[in-house]
Amino acid sequence: RKEVEQDPGPFNVPEGATVAFNCTYSNSASQSFFWYRQDCRKEPKLLMSVYSSGNEDGRFTAQLNRASQYISLLIRDSKLSDSATYLCVVPPDAGRRALTFGSGTRLQVQP
Amino acid sequence: DAGITQSPRYKITETGRQVTLMCHQTWSHSYMFWYRQDLGHGLRLIYYSAAADITDKGEVPDGYVVSRSKTENFPLTLESATRSQTSVYFCASSVLRKRGAKNIQYFGAGTRLSVL
Repeated sequence: RKEVEQDPGPFNVPEGATVAFNCTYSNSASQSFFWYRQDCRKEPKLLMSVYSSGNEDGRFTAQLNRASQYISLLIRDSKLSDSATYLCVVPPDAGRRALTFGSGTRLQVQP
Repeated sequence: DAGITQSPRYKITETGRQVTLMCHQTWSHSYMFWYRQDLGHGLRLIYYSAAADITDKGEVPDGYVVSRSKTENFPLTLESATRSQTSVYFCASSVLRKRGAKNIQYFGAGTRLSVL
């Protein structure tokens, strides 16, 4: 199993829709995670952190499911500006040296 | 409020040439990283540095050299560029790498390198 796996998409959704992405991870000892957003030809930027209790920021909700070893990102009321690639990130842990980035899930919000 | 800057933003070179990509951060972050991003592979770690004069290999270090004589600078050198090194290179920095901590990485805008 890869350290971090994501469905590459693209997810094509209409404006106003609710969309969710999952990201599976292999290291059961991982304790905190991140979602980064990357716009086309730009650098990744932190969207939100994910902790055991989950995290909500406006239209975005991130959840952690330890039993099944996945994290999720839910976007409500999608906007055109949400179109981007969303990267799941697992932090360094014992024996690892740096953040591990998933390959990303591409979201295209259509008018 | 410069944050983390990379230069050049675009570079075209020929196979066999030496190329150095620059990365500079103004936050005094202890950790710095170099990634390459290619279609189908996502971000792959090339090298990272925990502090000045401390560097370590990442996932794909072959063909690259780094140095960190000052905390704020972390240049990446391709000693003899190959076509397979055509990619987008991102530099990043973070405050501290600690298990379970909120060690967010901040990225530069990237350097798009083409090796002909």
